[in-house]
Amino acid sequence: AQSVTQPDIHITVSEGASLELRCNYSYGATPYLFWYVQSPGQGLQLLLKYFSGDTLVQGIKGFEAEFKRSQSSFNLRKPSVHWSDAAEYFCAVGAAGGTSYGKLTFGQGTILTVHP
Amino acid sequence: EAQVTQNPRYLITVTGKKLTVTCSQNMNHEYMSWYRQDPGLGLRQIYYSMNVEVTDKGDVPEGYKVSRKEKRNFPLILESPSPNQTSLYFCASSPLRYQETQYFGPGTRLLVL
Repeated sequence: AQSVTQPDIHITVSEGASLELRCNYSYGATPYLFWYVQSPGQGLQLLLKYFSGDTLVQGIKGFEAEFKRSQSSFNLRKPSVHWSDAAEYFCAVGAAGGTSYGKLTFGQGTILTVHP
Repeated sequence: EAQVTQNPRYLITVTGKKLTVTCSQNMNHEYMSWYRQDPGLGLRQIYYSMNVEVTDKGDVPEGYKVSRKEKRNFPLILESPSPNQTSLYFCASSPLRYQETQYFGPGTRLLVL
């Protein structure tokens, strides 16, 4: 069964500081990996996704993530955080094939607070 | 305007009273899915559908039913709601391949007394 763990429930950073949100997944083969962001009272927006190829993927709003197969990780990074980045972030893993193709599992989420 | 719509947006009901939350998309998407969101648990997939008449269980299907008779509609049915189904529900759709960007509906907040 696939699963996702986001070890940090809540992270606080200062505006302009760098950011890394952790995501660890469990899946039997190379999965599809996603990062979504949810602002308060809003739906989810896709930041970036990994299917195959280059393990460093670029997304919207200046975010990037790196797929590390050996560590089963897909951490999200941003070099300089803006106050508008305050939101909740979700990592997700999707089955790339087999009987569970189409199934998408989300992590518990990480709430990001940005101090001025 | 391309969108996913859900109705109702807010619903208060009582235990055991059957209800349906509708979901409709106007983008001719193949893939549709239902999620529930609970504090500290993130989003959990209830059911998904890869195409018309094809539905599969997600991680938390117990107590829910779905149907996909038309491509655009994917209703979520609670035959006998219970208080532990109080949650925020999201419907989403994506084009031919499910791993493409999912478009989320605005959410339905359900309270079961």
